[in-house]
Amino acid sequence: RKEVEQDPGPFNVPEGATVAFNCTYSNSASQSFFWYRQDCRKEPKLLMSVYSSGNEDGRFTAQLNRASQYISLLIRDSKLSDSATYLCVVTLGRNDMRFGAGTRLTVKP
Amino acid sequence: GAGVSQSPRYKVAKRGQDVALRCDPISGHVSLFWYQQALGQGPEFLTYFQNEAQLDKSGLPSDRFFAERPEGSVSTLKIQRTQQEDSAVYLCASSFHHGAGNTIYFGEGSWLTVV
Repeated sequence: RKEVEQDPGPFNVPEGATVAFNCTYSNSASQSFFWYRQDCRKEPKLLMSVYSSGNEDGRFTAQLNRASQYISLLIRDSKLSDSATYLCVVTLGRNDMRFGAGTRLTVKP
Repeated sequence: GAGVSQSPRYKVAKRGQDVALRCDPISGHVSLFWYQQALGQGPEFLTYFQNEAQLDKSGLPSDRFFAERPEGSVSTLKIQRTQQEDSAVYLCASSFHHGAGNTIYFGEGSWLTVV
């Protein structure tokens, strides 16, 4: 079993739609949680950190459930520019980051 | 420089050839990481440096892979006797300090194709 598992996708949604991605992790000792965004043929870039209390950044909302070892990302009012691969990331400490395989999102006009 | 710089951006190697991939981290960043990303997969951890010390090399797939950071800044990932399964993007990342939660910044990667 992979340490970090994500919805395989791809997700194809119209502009303005709300879309949610899920991620589960296997190591209960995981300390920090993130969502990264990766555009085609580009490097991953930090989208947002994920906190137990849940956090929001504009149209993006991230949730963490430590008991279920589950992370989610909600994107509201999707834009064409949101099209990318979204990577779920957990750290085991000392920046030992483990990535999921990513979920590909395509937002269509 | 402003970001993490990697070279070469693209490399085609014949099977059996040795390759060297260079990473210039953000100035002053203590931590440096190498990741391997195969097509359609997320990045897989290879190795981690804190300054010049290689603290974790558990992700290196075989003894053909070797990484160094002799002066605590620039790092080189060397792959000896390349095989087709080594074809991937090799991502370097750096962060100012170690410790969970510190943001790491990736370079654009070195795209290696072994033919």
